[in-house]
Amino acid sequence: DAGITQSPRHKVTETGTPVTLRCHQTENHRYMYWYRQDPGHGLRLIHYSYGVKDTDKGEVSDGYSVSRSKTEDFLLTLESATSSQTSVYFCAISENRDRDHTQYFGPGTRLTVL
Amino acid sequence: QKEVEQNSGPLSVPEGAIASLNCTYSDRGSQSFFWYRQYSGKSPELIMFIYSNGDKEDGRFTAQLNKASQYVSLLIRDSQPSDSATYLCAGPANYGQNFVFGPGTRLSVLP
Repeated sequence: DAGITQSPRHKVTETGTPVTLRCHQTENHRYMYWYRQDPGHGLRLIHYSYGVKDTDKGEVSDGYSVSRSKTEDFLLTLESATSSQTSVYFCAISENRDRDHTQYFGPGTRLTVL
Repeated sequence: QKEVEQNSGPLSVPEGAIASLNCTYSDRGSQSFFWYRQYSGKSPELIMFIYSNGDKEDGRFTAQLNKASQYVSLLIRDSQPSDSATYLCAGPANYGQNFVFGPGTRLSVLP
C-alpha cells in the first residue's frame, strides 16, 4: 500500500457522534486525498490536500472536514455522523510529478453509523 | 463536471481468453487516464496509466486511448481466475490534479 496506513480500519458509531479517521504516509508525497466508496457510486472525492495546511473540497464534502498539520498525516472528521456516511473510506497519496499523477491508496476504513 | 462511464458488468470470460474493458469520458481535452484493479474488500491498485493516443502494453495488459472517440480500453490477454476483480477507470477531474473515477466494471474469469 505504498507506505500508507489508515486508522481505525473498522469503526461502528452512533448517529450524532463525531468521528475522526487518520491517514498516515511515509512516502513524503505532497498530495493527499480522502475518498468514500459506495455501491453504485464508485470512488468519490471528499477533500484533498496539496500541502501542509492547504486543503480543498471535493465532490462530496458536506458534513466532512479535514486537517493537515504535517506532511505525513491527513485527518478526516465527521462532525456529527449520519447513517448516510456509512461507507468505506480510502485515503490516497500522489506526487503529481510531470505527467504522472498516479494515486496510491491506503487499505481503507469501514465505517458504520447506526 | 467531467464524467467517466463504465459498464458495471459483470463481464464473464473463460480462462485464457482476452478480456476487454471499456471506459468513455466526457471531456475532449482530457489527457491522461488510469486503470486500477480492486479485489473485493481491498483497496484499488494501479495497473497502468496512459497519456498519449494509441496503445501502451505492460505484460498481459494493454491500455488503449482514443481521444477522437473519447474512450479508453483495457485488454487483458490470457485471462486468469486471479484477474477476477473490479476494474476502475479514472480520468482528470475539473479541479487541480484530481481524478474522477468511473463506477468500475466487475470482471469474472471462469476456470
